[in-house]
Amino acid sequence: EAAVTQSPRNKVAVTGGKVTLSCNQTNNHNNMYWYRQDTGHGLRLIHYSYGAGSTEKGDIPDGYKASRPSQENFSLILELATPSQTSVYFCASGEGQGAGNTLYFGEGSRLIVV
Amino acid sequence: GDSVTQKQGQVTLSEDDFLFINCTYSTTTYPTLFWYVQYPGQGPQLLLKVTTANNKGISRGFEATYDKGTTSFHLQKASVQESDSAVYFCALVPSYQGGRALIFGTGTTVSVSP
Repeated sequence: EAAVTQSPRNKVAVTGGKVTLSCNQTNNHNNMYWYRQDTGHGLRLIHYSYGAGSTEKGDIPDGYKASRPSQENFSLILELATPSQTSVYFCASGEGQGAGNTLYFGEGSRLIVV
Repeated sequence: GDSVTQKQGQVTLSEDDFLFINCTYSTTTYPTLFWYVQYPGQGPQLLLKVTTANNKGISRGFEATYDKGTTSFHLQKASVQESDSAVYFCALVPSYQGGRALIFGTGTTVSVSP
């Protein structure tokens, strides 16, 4: 009964193609996040959302869009995928701010752009 | 801007060894600092947090404290087991992004041999 589920778990895309990574959470959290994980860089924030209809830019938003159509769902969209976007992407949900904000992560989506 | 620096990329230990991982941070606010752990094939999960300097956070045999004077915080465990093999991330809530996101370090891979 994973509370944050991501799909697809693995994806191979061609350069210039469109990729959509989806995330669903059953925690009823207002905040949702997309991070990417790369060796030597750790976890870097791409986009996040405060609630349905909102999206905010994180630290590395270039080349990515996000969509939050509902409390439960948050998507990351790569309109024109590039090999530099090959990475493992993690979605997370969280409630509150500051010290009270524990993030709950999904299991990750591995994307390879060829 | 706010940041965390985690210089130890890899730590190799034997069971019952002492574990010590250090991070340094930079922020304009009074920080809450976190340690997240990522086991193979999983997303990161909260290990513990420290909300006040010189106070300890304790969880699952791990302890963490931070020192405002040296802007450093560390994670330690007296006697590690093979099951502690994982990637450990330090993180903080930045002074921007409304306190809703986390900045992560680059991670320390801990390998414990039996």
